[in-house]
Amino acid sequence: AQTVTQSQPEMSVQEAETVTLSCTYDTSESDYYLFWYKQPPSRQMILVIRQEAYKQQNATENRFSVNFQKAAKSFSLKISDSQLGDAAMYFCAYRSAQGAQKLVFGQGTRLTINP
Amino acid sequence: GAVVSQHPSRVICKSGTSVKIECRSLDFQATTMFWYRQFPKQSLMLMATSNEGSKATYEQGVEKDKFLINHASLTLSTLTVTSAHPEDSSFYICSAMTGANTEAFFGQGTRLTVV
Repeated sequence: AQTVTQSQPEMSVQEAETVTLSCTYDTSESDYYLFWYKQPPSRQMILVIRQEAYKQQNATENRFSVNFQKAAKSFSLKISDSQLGDAAMYFCAYRSAQGAQKLVFGQGTRLTINP
Repeated sequence: GAVVSQHPSRVICKSGTSVKIECRSLDFQATTMFWYRQFPKQSLMLMATSNEGSKATYEQGVEKDKFLINHASLTLSTLTVTSAHPEDSSFYICSAMTGANTEAFFGQGTRLTVV
């Protein structure tokens, strides 16, 4: 079974600075998807960024980018120019490209933005 | 993006009664829906996967007779917590997909309190 590990329960960053959230995963599959979701205090899950495992190029979405290291099974999220609205729980998630389409979530990292 | 509406957002019920939570895809047909449970300050735990017109697939350790899932149409899935007890109090979240390898869209969640 696949597992996702986020080793940082909490992180904090000064507003306008850059922060990196870590995520590692374990799988024997070669084709899969990786995601970062944001859960603000409203608890609505919001997709931040998505990476297809077959793509070597790291995904970027405005201030959000990932460092995808397939051999190391690592998938970190970098948030540049942090804003107060970025404060939330961040979950890393894995989904197989075959069979069951369920998401496997990591434990989450609570990100605090200091003004 | 597509909208998934979950209702109610909050519900309080007496111990021993049953409560139904609805998950609707408002502007797309959801072939697959997922139900998650989230304890305070924890990650999302998948309870079951439901496909329209077929029986739900429950994760190991989830009581199928207690958490009844019905996916009767391509836009509606329901989760019924039967004979609820205080330990069933939790935050329940649904998500829906239009097809394989597509994005999962999340409902806003339901906070269930059993008194």
